[in-house]
Amino acid sequence: AQTVTQSQPEMSVQEAETVTLSCTYDTSESDYYLFWYKQPPSRQMILVIRQEAYKQQNATENRFSVNFQKAAKSFSLKISDSQLGDAAMYFCAYRSFRDDKIIFGKGTRLHILP
Amino acid sequence: GAVVSQHPSWVICKSGTSVKIECRSLDFQATTMFWYRQFPKQSLMLMATSNEGSKATYEQGVEKDKFLINHASLTLSTLTVTSAHPEDSSFYICSASSGHQETQYFGPGTRLLVL
Repeated sequence: AQTVTQSQPEMSVQEAETVTLSCTYDTSESDYYLFWYKQPPSRQMILVIRQEAYKQQNATENRFSVNFQKAAKSFSLKISDSQLGDAAMYFCAYRSFRDDKIIFGKGTRLHILP
Repeated sequence: GAVVSQHPSWVICKSGTSVKIECRSLDFQATTMFWYRQFPKQSLMLMATSNEGSKATYEQGVEKDKFLINHASLTLSTLTVTSAHPEDSSFYICSASSGHQETQYFGPGTRLLVL
């Protein structure tokens, strides 16, 4: 069975600084998707970034980028120029090509310090 | 992006009653919908997957007779919590997808409190 591990329950970063959230996963599959979702206080799940496992190039969305290391099964999220609106719970997630089920990590709560 | 709505956004009910939660895809046809449960300060746990016109597939440990799921159309899935008890109090989130390997879009969630 696939698992997703986020080892940092909480993190803090100064506004305008850069922060990296860690995520590792375990799977025996070769094709899959990886995601980072943001859940602000409203609790609406927002897709931040998506990575297809077959792509070697790391995905980037404006201030958000990932470091995808397939062999190490690592998928970290880097947030540059942190803004107050980035404060939220961040979930790393895995989705199988086979059945579309999304498996979420336990989450990392990110605090932005003004 | 695509929009998924849930109704109600929050509900309070008495123990023993049944509660229905609706999940709608507003601007696309959702062949597959997923139902999640999230306890306070915890992650999302998948409860079941429903495909339009067929029976839902429940995850291990989820009682199908307790959590009835109906996906009768390409835009609507419902989750009914039958004979609700206080331990069913939680945040329920649905997501919808237009097909295999397509992006899943999440609803805003429904907060259920059973007294």
